[in-house]
Amino acid sequence: NAGVIQTPRHKVTGKGQEATLWCEPISGHSAVFWYRQTIVQGLEFLTYFRNQAPIDDSGMPKERFSAQMPNQSHSTLKIQSTQPQDSAVYLCASSLGGAGSDYTFGSGTRLLVI
Amino acid sequence: GEKVEQHESTLSVREGDSAVINCTYTDTASSYFPWYKQEAGKGLHFVIDIRSNVDRKQSQRLIVLLDKKAKRFSLHITATQPEDSAIYFCAADSGGSNYKLTFGKGTLLTVTP
Repeated sequence: NAGVIQTPRHKVTGKGQEATLWCEPISGHSAVFWYRQTIVQGLEFLTYFRNQAPIDDSGMPKERFSAQMPNQSHSTLKIQSTQPQDSAVYLCASSLGGAGSDYTFGSGTRLLVI
Repeated sequence: GEKVEQHESTLSVREGDSAVINCTYTDTASSYFPWYKQEAGKGLHFVIDIRSNVDRKQSQRLIVLLDKKAKRFSLHITATQPEDSAIYFCAADSGGSNYKLTFGKGTLLTVTP
């Protein structure tokens, strides 16, 4: 079991460019979560899927962020027209999906927008 | 929505002493309270959790206490070791069928030999 795999580990983009982050959840986990981590804001919830269906995207900045889960083996987080304030570590986690299921986190993608 | 406040941003203890990290939450519907540990440059790693049907849980040197009336929960690390040094995050669920967790801002624990 390789755990939750996130790629790339590091990404540098120029302001205004697009960034796509990938997450491969643990096989058999039905829930996938995306969080953003910064020093100032801590861990901010972005969105989550259960059985590939979007359940809660209340944390997503609506205009430039989008997330998809086209199949049970991967999810993507896309940021269009990246801004310096998007610089953060983006963490993906998966869980079995029942109430009170603990998350397994990936190592994160560190995004730097210059 | 749920808000979780983690009271200690930093905590420093001597090896062998106990460390206590306190969190409060706002949503009375929350029923699941996990703790995660993050070592430098790594993702978060689950350490222990407690559910609202109990008020105490222990796993080796880790003890979690839950006070539902006060909406407060805490992590106690006994007999601390240098390898316990990390950032610890508390979290709470939203209750019902929404499984997302809301996290506190983290406590940097330093255990000095």
